[in-house]
Amino acid sequence: KNQVEQSPQSLIILEGKNCTLQCNYTVSPFSNLRWYKQDTGRGPVSLTIMTFSENTKSNGRYTATLDADTKQSSLHITASQLSDSASYICVVSPLSNFGNEKLTFGTGTRLTIIP
Amino acid sequence: DAGITQSPRYKITETGRQVTLMCHQTWSHSYMFWYRQDLGHGLRLIYYSAAADITDKGEVPDGYVVSRSKTENFPLTLESATRSQTSVYFCATGTSYGYTFGSGTRLTVV
Repeated sequence: KNQVEQSPQSLIILEGKNCTLQCNYTVSPFSNLRWYKQDTGRGPVSLTIMTFSENTKSNGRYTATLDADTKQSSLHITASQLSDSASYICVVSPLSNFGNEKLTFGTGTRLTIIP
Repeated sequence: DAGITQSPRYKITETGRQVTLMCHQTWSHSYMFWYRQDLGHGLRLIYYSAAADITDKGEVPDGYVVSRSKTENFPLTLESATRSQTSVYFCATGTSYGYTFGSGTRLTVV
C-alpha cells in the first residue's frame, strides 16, 4: 500500500530559527513529490514539486530535497517567520498522467513559530 | 474574483439529511476534484472529474454523489448524511502544472 509518513507530527521553534521537516514514502512507482503549506482554515497551497531526477527545489526561504533512492524528502525553512506557522503536507504521485495521478497525501507536520 | 470558491464555509446538518457542497472555478480547468480531510488522515480523494459530464470515483466515494453539468461547477452531494461524514471537504482544480485548492467546507453531521 502506498504510504507517505511525515515527521515530526508537530514542531515549535522560535522566530528566526531554521527547521527541517521530513517525509518518507513507499509509493511505487514514483513520478513526483510535492510539498504544500496549509494555513489553519484554508486549503493547501503548493510550495514545490520535484520529479525523480531533481534533488533540490527552492521557493524563497523554502528548500525541498529529494533522495529517490532512499525515498526520502525534506523541507528546510530558513529564518522562520510567524507567517510560517502552518501545516506542511508532503504529497507523492506514482503516475505522471495528470488527472489520474492517484496522489498520496501525508498527514502533515504542524509547525508553530513563536516570537 | 478569479479562483476557486467553495460554499458554504460551515454547515451543520442532521443524520439522514441530504446536503450539497458547492464548488465553483473561474479558470475553466478541465479537471476538478473533491477531497476530505480528517484528523489522522491525509487528504483522501472522493471523486474527480476530467470534464463536463465525466466523473470518476476516488478512494472514498461511498455515500457521495457528484455531477458536472458545467465545466465551472462541481457540486458534491451527501445523499443521506452520516456522522462519519463529519469532515472538512476541499474542492480542487488542476492542470499539469499543479493543483489549486478551495478554502474548504467544514461539515458537521449531528
